[in-house]
Amino acid sequence: AQSVTQPDARVTVSEGASLQLRCKYSYSGTPYLFWYVQYPRQGLQLLLKYYSGDPVVQGVNGFEAEFSKSNSSFHLRKASVHWSDSAVYFCVLSAYSNNRIFFGDGTQLVVKP
Amino acid sequence: AQTIHQWPVAEIKAVGSPLSLGCTIKGKSSPNLYWYWQATGGTLQQLFYSITVGQVESVVQLNLSASRPKDDQFILSTEKLLLSHSGFYLCAWSRDWGNYAEQFFGPGTRLTVL
Repeated sequence: AQSVTQPDARVTVSEGASLQLRCKYSYSGTPYLFWYVQYPRQGLQLLLKYYSGDPVVQGVNGFEAEFSKSNSSFHLRKASVHWSDSAVYFCVLSAYSNNRIFFGDGTQLVVKP
Repeated sequence: AQTIHQWPVAEIKAVGSPLSLGCTIKGKSSPNLYWYWQATGGTLQQLFYSITVGQVESVVQLNLSASRPKDDQFILSTEKLLLSHSGFYLCAWSRDWGNYAEQFFGPGTRLTVL
């Protein structure tokens, strides 16, 4: 069965600190993976996506993610967070076999000034 | 540029009443369209998708239905609302049908069922 797990419901970091948000997926086929961000009472915006090639992908606003097939992971990173990065981050799996989209539960990021 | 509009912005409805939520995409012909539901504080669940006018595929059964009457319009509806229908409804579109296709989300409709 396909699924996405974001083990951290909430992450709190200080402004300027580095960040890693974890994502694990379960899928036997070729995964297409995305990270989206949701600001309060808004829709989702794409940060980055991966489907092949270099396992480290660059996204908007200094975000990057690293795909690991051996670990079934797609962790999101940022070198230095800003208070405006406070939002909910969703890891998303697109499953080729049945055209299904799977969202993780989301990680609430709180950046303290 | 493409824009996606959802209506209404928010709705408060009584249990057992009908519901119709709409989504319109401008600036893109033949988009692929999606409906998602997000329970308060929860994750998003894919409800429906459509790759062409008049054709809608159901992913999750929540006593809801969807229709695509026009190329740029996607409607979510039910004749009888349940308390469990409360939440945030998001419409999205993508350029291509495929798993690598980025989805563009609308601003959402917040539904409260009392």
